[in-house]
Amino acid sequence: DAKTTQPPSMDCAEGRAANLPCNHSTISGNEYVYWYRQIHSQGPQYIIHGLKNNETNEMASLIITEDRKSSTLILPHATLRDTAVYYCIVRAALSNFGNEKLTFGTGTRLTIIP
Amino acid sequence: NAGVTQTPKFQVLKTGQSMTLQCAQDMNHEYMSWYRQDPGMGLRLIHYSVGAGITDQGEVPNGYNVSRSTTEDFPLRLLSAAPSQTSVYFCASSPYSNQPQHFGDGTRLSIL
Repeated sequence: DAKTTQPPSMDCAEGRAANLPCNHSTISGNEYVYWYRQIHSQGPQYIIHGLKNNETNEMASLIITEDRKSSTLILPHATLRDTAVYYCIVRAALSNFGNEKLTFGTGTRLTIIP
Repeated sequence: NAGVTQTPKFQVLKTGQSMTLQCAQDMNHEYMSWYRQDPGMGLRLIHYSVGAGITDQGEVPNGYNVSRSTTEDFPLRLLSAAPSQTSVYFCASSPYSNQPQHFGDGTRLSIL
């Protein structure tokens, strides 16, 4: 499985864009990059995922470098409710049936400052 | 839709006791999984299932059993609880294994 490296913590001012980096230098060609977040002690929440191209949805944007060795999650206008631990995950296939597991690291603790 | 429902939310056990953590989803998802989360650590996969009647082990399966007799339910059994199993347990589901997962709110388990 490709491993990911994230900074342990980051701060961002409310209303500004929060840019969360992730390194995944050993990612394979068929592996996707997923982002989840965990608010307080709730269950993780899916944010976005991508393979090669940049992706955008109602929550965030995902920028993947051309060599796919790193990516950045962008929360365009951070609010206090975005304070959470953000996990960058590379999806690994377990078998030919496409079974998979998500390997969660320790993530980045993002604090939005009022 | 209720999504993924986990019961109980909190539980305290004595060493050696057994118990079952319940997980149910009403989204007709084929893929379900169990994770544990210890303080300061990410989630670790215990067991998963790609459909009714099919289960497999994850990273940390020892001390836990699962079964999947229906699409909706995926219970996790602790056979003989140990203090090392004190953790927060999360159940998750997705339509198929290669799609984003929906998580429950967790069961906080303490083993004395």
